[in-house]
Amino acid sequence: EPEVTQTPSHQVTQMGQEVILRCVPISNHLYFYWYRQILGQKVEFLVSFYNNEISEKSEIFDDQFSVERPDGSNFTLKIRSTKLEDSAMYFCASSAARVMLPQHFGDGTRLSIL
Amino acid sequence: DQQVKQNSPSLSVQEGRISILNCDYTNSMFDYFLWYKKYPAEGPTFLISISSIKDKNEDGRFTVFLNKSAKHLSLHIVPSQPGDSAVYFCAASAAGTNAGKSTFGDGTTLTVKP
Repeated sequence: EPEVTQTPSHQVTQMGQEVILRCVPISNHLYFYWYRQILGQKVEFLVSFYNNEISEKSEIFDDQFSVERPDGSNFTLKIRSTKLEDSAMYFCASSAARVMLPQHFGDGTRLSIL
Repeated sequence: DQQVKQNSPSLSVQEGRISILNCDYTNSMFDYFLWYKKYPAEGPTFLISISSIKDKNEDGRFTVFLNKSAKHLSLHIVPSQPGDSAVYFCAASAAGTNAGKSTFGDGTTLTVKP
């Protein structure tokens, strides 16, 4: 069964540095998402991406964050000037349709900001 | 504003018995609801969904019930198995949005005892 893959599984970065989290969505999916889960908290929506542009973003997704689909397969989340509170699990998801079909999640990247 | 709530952080049941996980929502715009299961160090995995035009959806041992007037849904697992032990997230989305983002509850940790 096709799956969403995320790399790296764990990223440790110094505060203030930039990080890029990578995702390879399922190949025939059209909608892409980033979510995050701070330890002990709920899964929170960050951003959705369709047709090479952001469809919706949450208030968490400020100017520090950006997303890109640089080629036909990868979907990246860039966090500039990381802060301690950015430490979380970041999940990428994709779906074949906007609604009425589930989102398929990757196993996440654990981001630790020191 | 917590739009999706799972008021029970944990639930413990005996193998073979029924597990009932509950979820409440406040946003009347939500019209599609999903349950995800999550094991440690993995991403959420889709379990079952229901559209607001239905009040019940069944898939094997899993049944989701939706009470729109009460803004309440529940997931029934019968019979429960030890392998069902995981964190269960309720999620909701609104077809009217452009993004199809899912809003998650806090999760309920289910433990099925052999």
